[in-house]
Amino acid sequence: DIVMTQSPSSLAVSAGETVTINCKSSQSLFGSVRQKNYLAWYQQKPGQSPKLLIYLASTRESGVPDRFIGSGSGTDFTLTISSVQAEDLANYYCQQYYDTPDTFGAGTKLELK
Amino acid sequence: EVQLVESGGGLVQPGRSLKLSCLASGFTFSNYGMNWIRQAPGKGLEWVASISSSSSYIYYADTVKGRFTISRDNAKNTLYLQMTSLRSEDTALYYCARRAYPGITPFDYWGQGVMVTVSS
Repeated sequence: DIVMTQSPSSLAVSAGETVTINCKSSQSLFGSVRQKNYLAWYQQKPGQSPKLLIYLASTRESGVPDRFIGSGSGTDFTLTISSVQAEDLANYYCQQYYDTPDTFGAGTKLELK
Repeated sequence: EVQLVESGGGLVQPGRSLKLSCLASGFTFSNYGMNWIRQAPGKGLEWVASISSSSSYIYYADTVKGRFTISRDNAKNTLYLQMTSLRSEDTALYYCARRAYPGITPFDYWGQGVMVTVSS
């Protein structure tokens, strides 16, 4: 199975700051046929189900604010949230869907400083 | 509006069985692969099982293989998860989730989840 390693596990921020969450996979998620990275990011607020933010490593899902930016390729990926807002406080998970089984990172909890 | 509504959860003793259902609406259910994903209390996400649109392809996590069975009824727009020989470590919130479209895709819609507690 592909292991997804996320860091940090938690992050305390002030509103308006820019934050970076890292995700590393144990093998490349780059598909040579479509030339895409099969990496997604999800946001899960307390008491809610996960919400898809980013797919193919850098494509924002419809309706996701442009302050959420996904980047990276191969085995190293980043979710950047610019000018964090109070509504962004949540857990964030990366997921690889390059191979079965789909696997998730352990999550990053974004908290208010 | 896409909706996925899980049901069937509850408190069950170790070794017993339980069947979860997920009723889909707002999209053509028979066109999409579906999945069960679980989240133990205070923990992260674990993919459990997947089934293709026509039930031709079915996959399970090693942790549930041989004990859980995923199935679907496209006429009823419903996804199922039959769970047998339940263990305490199966205690979790179980989500059904849709693959975004055929092929290599993430999960674009999730239900609200149904709680399964395995305890004597």
